[in-house]
Amino acid sequence: AQSVTQPDIHITVSEGASLELRCNYSYGATPYLFWYVQSPGQGLQLLLKYFSGDTLVQGIKGFEAEFKRSQSSFNLRKPSVHWSDAAEYFCAVGAPSSNTGKLIFGQGTTLQVKP
Amino acid sequence: DTGVSQDPRHKITKRGQNVTFRCDPISEHNRLYWYRQTLGQGPEFLTYFQNEAQLEKSRLLSDRFSAERPKGSFSTLEIQRTEQGDSAMYLCASSLLIVVDTQYFGPGTRLTVL
Repeated sequence: AQSVTQPDIHITVSEGASLELRCNYSYGATPYLFWYVQSPGQGLQLLLKYFSGDTLVQGIKGFEAEFKRSQSSFNLRKPSVHWSDAAEYFCAVGAPSSNTGKLIFGQGTTLQVKP
Repeated sequence: DTGVSQDPRHKITKRGQNVTFRCDPISEHNRLYWYRQTLGQGPEFLTYFQNEAQLEKSRLLSDRFSAERPKGSFSTLEIQRTEQGDSAMYLCASSLLIVVDTQYFGPGTRLTVL
C-alpha cells in the first residue's frame, strides 16, 4: 500500500534562510508526487508536481523539489524563505496504476518563519 | 473566479443533526474528490466521482455519509446523525479525466459538532 512520511512535524527557520522539507514515500514503482501548501483555514494550493522526466522540478513561489528514486524521497527546497511562506506543507503521492487518481497525503509539516 | 468552490465555509451543528455540504468543481473537470482533514493531519480520501458515477468510497465513509453528483456537475456530501468525531475540514477537489492529474482544491467546509 502507498504511504507518505513527513518526518518533521514542525520546522522554524529565520527569514532569508534556506529551507528543506523532507518527504519519503512507499510505493512499488515510481509514483506521481505532489507538494501542496495550506494557509490557516484555507484549502490546498499546488506548489509543484513530478510525473516523469527531469528529477528536479520547479514550482511556484520559488520552490523546487528533487525526486530521488534510490531514497524514495521528494524533498522540497527554497533558497531564501520569506515571512509569507509560513504555512503547512503537505507531500502527496498518487499511483499511476490507480483508476481513481486519489492522493495519499503525509501528515504535514508546519513552517514557522522568524523575523 | 473559476476555481473550486464550497459552501458553506463553516458549519456548527449539534450532535444528531444532519448536515449537507456542496462543492462546485472547475467546469471542465470530470473527476471530483472529497477528502476529510482533522487537526494536525493531512487530508484523507473519502470518495471519488467520475462524471456522475461514484466509483470508489473509502472505509472511512460510514453508512451515515452519502455523496452525490447529479448530472456530473456539483456534488453534495451529507452526514446524517452527526457525531463529535465528524468535526473536521471537508475538502473537495476536482481534476481532469486522466489517470493521475493535478487536483485543484476548494477552500473547504469546517464542520464543528457540539
